[in-house]
Amino acid sequence: DSGVTQTPKHLITATGQRVTLRCSPRSGDLSVYWYQQSLDQGLQFLIQYYNGEERAKGNILERFSAQQFPDLHSELNLSSLELGDSALYFCASSARDSGSSGYTFGSGTRLTVV
Amino acid sequence: QKEVEQDPGPLSVPEGAIVSLNCTYSNSAFQYFMWYRQYSRKGPELLMYTYSSGNKEDGRFTAQVDKSSKYISLFIRDSQPSDSATYLCAIKTTGAQKLVFGQGTRLTINP
Repeated sequence: DSGVTQTPKHLITATGQRVTLRCSPRSGDLSVYWYQQSLDQGLQFLIQYYNGEERAKGNILERFSAQQFPDLHSELNLSSLELGDSALYFCASSARDSGSSGYTFGSGTRLTVV
Repeated sequence: QKEVEQDPGPLSVPEGAIVSLNCTYSNSAFQYFMWYRQYSRKGPELLMYTYSSGNKEDGRFTAQVDKSSKYISLFIRDSQPSDSATYLCAIKTTGAQKLVFGQGTRLTINP
């Protein structure tokens, strides 16, 4: 157990729907990062929050949004889902803003859009 | 051109062999270099972390960074079947927020 908790582990939904993925960072970590992993694209950075504030944005679609709450858990919202959104979504956390000594990843949420 | 290039493999070697995994990168500003191991259906797990150039050893694992060639390597000695996994290199510049990952190399150690 890495200490980073992601729920749900699996999600199957239809095109056009909206889902919310949840992440609780490791105790004491203030930064949360979201990554998408697909077979052809590998691990792609989506967005980072530090202590409730958005710090960096990567290749995140406009249909996707995220937030970090005062208790430091984070949610990734995916809307108007398309087949191509099917992927593993990982949350990671680090103690500091920069994550220069690496992140701790959760076990991921496997999203299947049918 | 991708920021980090990594041969996806697959790579299959017999138990006990020395394994060499490699990545090349394009941006000379990268300063932080990491290797992650990912088992099937699990999240990536940090194996090794190196700042700037040089070697770092941890048990059977050695990480090397050659900044002049923009080349990083992970060596696994006395490989075990439990080392079978996908290995991802990850790099970062000072001040940047995100890690940039290689595609990952799928490694199988055959008993």
